[in-house]
Amino acid sequence: KNQVEQSPQSLIILEGKNCTLQCNYTVSPFSNLRWYKQDTGRGPVSLTIMTFSENTKSNGRYTATLDADTKQSSLHITASQLSDSASYICVVSWIANSGYALNFGKGTSLLVTP
Amino acid sequence: NAGVMQNPRHLVRRRGQEARLRCSPMKGHSHVYWYRQLPEEGLKFMVYLQKENIIDESGMPKERFSAEFPKEGPSILRIQQVVRGDSAAYFCASSPPPKTGDSVVQNEQFFGPGTRLTVL
Repeated sequence: KNQVEQSPQSLIILEGKNCTLQCNYTVSPFSNLRWYKQDTGRGPVSLTIMTFSENTKSNGRYTATLDADTKQSSLHITASQLSDSASYICVVSWIANSGYALNFGKGTSLLVTP
Repeated sequence: NAGVMQNPRHLVRRRGQEARLRCSPMKGHSHVYWYRQLPEEGLKFMVYLQKENIIDESGMPKERFSAEFPKEGPSILRIQQVVRGDSAAYFCASSPPPKTGDSVVQNEQFFGPGTRLTVL
């Protein structure tokens, strides 16, 4: 079972509208949470990265929130543009004894229409 | 400063052939990660390398897959005797060495454009 669940799976909104994407995780102990944007046929691009002590972080029209107690994060997109159409991926890392530990959600596919 | 480079962007192989995927990290980055993305699935970690060292290969299939990051040149992900189930997008990411006191998972990773492997 994936330790990072995203919702909705897909979303269609009109240009100019706002939207919120959700991410729930069960990873523990938690290190940080990232949101990536992945355009079709491209590699993911980082939007925000938050540690457990941060509640919110903004990057232009993108604002991520984190509730480490409930293990939930959201990504809010304001005044959407056609170029926001992409997959948005939530990635959670945890503190491992050794090596590397990142867990990717399946992503939310966002389509912004004129 | 060029981003992470991957080549080829598209690769077609017949079953049983070998596939070699290359990744050149960003300048100054000594950490490389390989991920696989199957259709309709999220990215899955495969292997984490530093120069001349495999740090974590817990995500690599036990057979047919290998990876290296030599002292000179790009990182290579090699798939021997490919099967149809190997068809996927393979992404490479790189990061700089972590700051003193930080662990590597706190580092931001920069992704390449991916190599799309199709096995006929």
